[in-house]
Amino acid sequence: KQEVTQIPAALSVPEGENLVLNCSFTDSAIYNLQWFRQDPGKGLTSLLLIQSSQREQTSGRLNASLDKSSGRSTLYIAASQPGDSATYLCAVSLHTGANSKLTFGKGITLSVRP
Amino acid sequence: DARVTQTPRHKVTEMGQEVTMRCQPILGHNTVFWYRQTMMQGLELLAYFRNRAPLDDSGMPKDRFSAEMPDATLATLKIQPSEPRDSAVYFCASGLGYYEQYFGPGTRLTVT
Repeated sequence: KQEVTQIPAALSVPEGENLVLNCSFTDSAIYNLQWFRQDPGKGLTSLLLIQSSQREQTSGRLNASLDKSSGRSTLYIAASQPGDSATYLCAVSLHTGANSKLTFGKGITLSVRP
Repeated sequence: DARVTQTPRHKVTEMGQEVTMRCQPILGHNTVFWYRQTMMQGLELLAYFRNRAPLDDSGMPKDRFSAEMPDATLATLKIQPSEPRDSAVYFCASGLGYYEQYFGPGTRLTVT
C-alpha cells in the first residue's frame, strides 16, 4: 500500500527566506506526483505536476523535483512571502492506468512571517 | 471563471439523520471525485465517476454512504444514517481526466 509522508507537519519562516518542503513515498512505481496548495477553509489547487519520466517542474517561484528511486520529492519556494502561507500537500498516482488513485500526504502547514 | 460548487458549505446534524451533499462539476468535465478530509486521516478518496458512471467507490463505507450522478451537472453524496465519526470536510473535484482535478470549496459536516 502506497504511503505518502510529509514532515514536518508545520513550518514557520521569516519573509524572504528560501525554503524546501519534503515529501516521501513508499512505492517508487509512481505514474506522477503533484503538489497542491490548500488555503484555510478552501479546496485544493494544483501547483505542479511531475510525470515519472521528469525530474523537475517550475512555475514562477516554485520548483518541484522528483527522485523516484529514492521515493522523494521536494517543493522549493524562493523568496517566500506572507501570501505563501497555506498548507502544501503532495500526492502520488501509481502506474495502474485509469483506475489509479491519488494518494495524498497530510500536508505541511507553512506560515511566512512578515 | 469556471468553478466546482458545493452545497451546503456547512452542515450540523444529529446522529442518525440523513445528510445529502451536492456538487456541480465544471461544465464539460467528465470525471468527478468525492474526498473526505480529517485531521487524523488526511485526504481520502471516497468515490469517483467518469462520464457519470461510478468507476471506484472502494473508499466509501457501503452500508451508509452512497454516491450518484443523476445528470452531468450534479453529483450527490449521501450518508444515511450519519454518525459522529462522519464529521469531516467533504470535497468534490472534477476534471477532464484522472490527474487534473479542480476542487470545490468543500462541505464541513458536523454530526453530534
